Amino acid sequence: GIQVEQSPPDLILQEGANSTLRCNFSDSVNNLQWFHQNPWGQLINLFYIPSGTKQNGRLSATTVATERYSLLYISSSQTTDSGVYFCAVSLFYGGSQGNLIFGKGTKLSVKP
Amino acid sequence: NAGVTQTPKFQVLKTGQSMTLQCAQDMNHEYMSWYRQDPGMGLRLIHYSVGAGITDQGEVPNGYNVSRSTTEDFPLRLLSAAPSQTSVYFCASSSTYSVNYGYTFGSGTRLTVV
Repeated sequence: GIQVEQSPPDLILQEGANSTLRCNFSDSVNNLQWFHQNPWGQLINLFYIPSGTKQNGRLSATTVATERYSLLYISSSQTTDSGVYFCAVSLFYGGSQGNLIFGKGTKLSVKP
Repeated sequence: NAGVTQTPKFQVLKTGQSMTLQCAQDMNHEYMSWYRQDPGMGLRLIHYSVGAGITDQGEVPNGYNVSRSTTEDFPLRLLSAAPSQTSVYFCASSSTYSVNYGYTFGSGTRLTVV
C-alpha cells in the first residue's frame, strides 16, 4: 500500500516565525489533503490539493505529484497554529473515493 | 449544518462489554468511514462505506462491526471490548461527487477499556 512520511515529527517555533512541513508519499495519488488537529482533538480539513498550489490566509500548500511530495507553509505563526498537522493521500478511480491513508503527523508548538 | 456528529464523547468500558459508537452526518455524503487514533500511529482506517447498504473493511477491522442502513448514519459496534481497543475514534464523511473531496471529521470518541 501507499506509504506516507511526514517531516519533521516535532517542531517548536516562536510566535511570528515561518515554517515548512513536508509530506512524502510512495506511489501515485490523485487525492491529497492536509489536516490540522487542534489541542482539543478536533480535525479540520485545511486543503484538498492533489497538485498545484493553494493559499488560505497565512497557510499555503504545494503538491508536486510527479515527485510525490507536498509542502505546507505556515507564515507568521500564531499560538493558535499549535497542534498536529496530518497529510493524507489516496488513489481514487472509477468514481470511487479511495480511502485516505494518513501520515503520522507533525506536532507543532508555537511559543508566545 | 451540524456536519458530522459523534456520540458519546467519552466512554469507559469493562473488558468483554459491547457498545455502539454513533455517527451521523447531515450533508448527504455518500462516503463515510471510521478511524482510530493511537499515540504515534496517526489515523488508521477501521471500516468504510460508499453508500447505504455497502460497507467494507479497512486496515484494522478486527473486533469491530458496522452497518449502513441510511445515508446519514454509520454506527460502529465493538463486539467484545478489549484493552487494545482503548483509543480515540473518529468518524468522517465525504462527497464522492464534489470537486473538492475534502473529508469532514466528527469531534471524536475517547474510549477506555479497563
